[in-house]
Amino acid sequence: DQQVKQNSPSLSVQEGRISILNCDYTNSMFDYFLWYKKYPAEGPTFLISISSIKDKNEDGRFTVFLNKSAKHLSLHIVPSQPGDSAVYFCAAVPEGNEKLTFGTGTRLTIIP
Amino acid sequence: DAGITQSPRHKVTETGTPVTLRCHQTENHRYMYWYRQDPGHGLRLIHYSYGVKDTDKGEVSDGYSVSRSKTEDFLLTLESATSSQTSVYFCAISALGVSSYEQYFGPGTRLTVT
Repeated sequence: DQQVKQNSPSLSVQEGRISILNCDYTNSMFDYFLWYKKYPAEGPTFLISISSIKDKNEDGRFTVFLNKSAKHLSLHIVPSQPGDSAVYFCAAVPEGNEKLTFGTGTRLTIIP
Repeated sequence: DAGITQSPRHKVTETGTPVTLRCHQTENHRYMYWYRQDPGHGLRLIHYSYGVKDTDKGEVSDGYSVSRSKTEDFLLTLESATSSQTSVYFCAISALGVSSYEQYFGPGTRLTVT
């Protein structure tokens, strides 16, 4: 049972445009959500997070939106740059829990 | 960058042989994790540790064991490797503070079981 779903395995976006990566979850106990970025042959790196008490969190070109009623979050990257080409994982965790549940990832390709 | 190293970085082994992967941290974080990454499955938790000698199972723990005798080291052992354990293995650490659930990952170990 996949509790965190990333339904788009891949996404291609023109350089300079907005990239939108989506993530859905089924467990209503999830309270904190994270996005990770992964380059080939490297470990995932933490990108941005959001608590369920917020509906938006912004860090430079990256913004995460959370819609709790729809159990949906999205990562917006604007403007997209070639260095953003990577696999992006969303993850979720209930409050006070030490284990993250990851989605299957979306491969983002930025076209120059 | 968080001080996490994994060894070896690459390993090829034969079915039925034991294999041990090592994760070493210099951050003195309490929590350590082992994941495997496979196409179509994302990152799946194998085992984790919440302190020296304190470990627990993740969602894909069958065929794996772990040990943590020191804060800085977390070992993952495949007692008898199988081809289904061919994967990329990542170690992660976390300080797990208030409203902070970030985990920081090592560079990974690519394991091939022939």
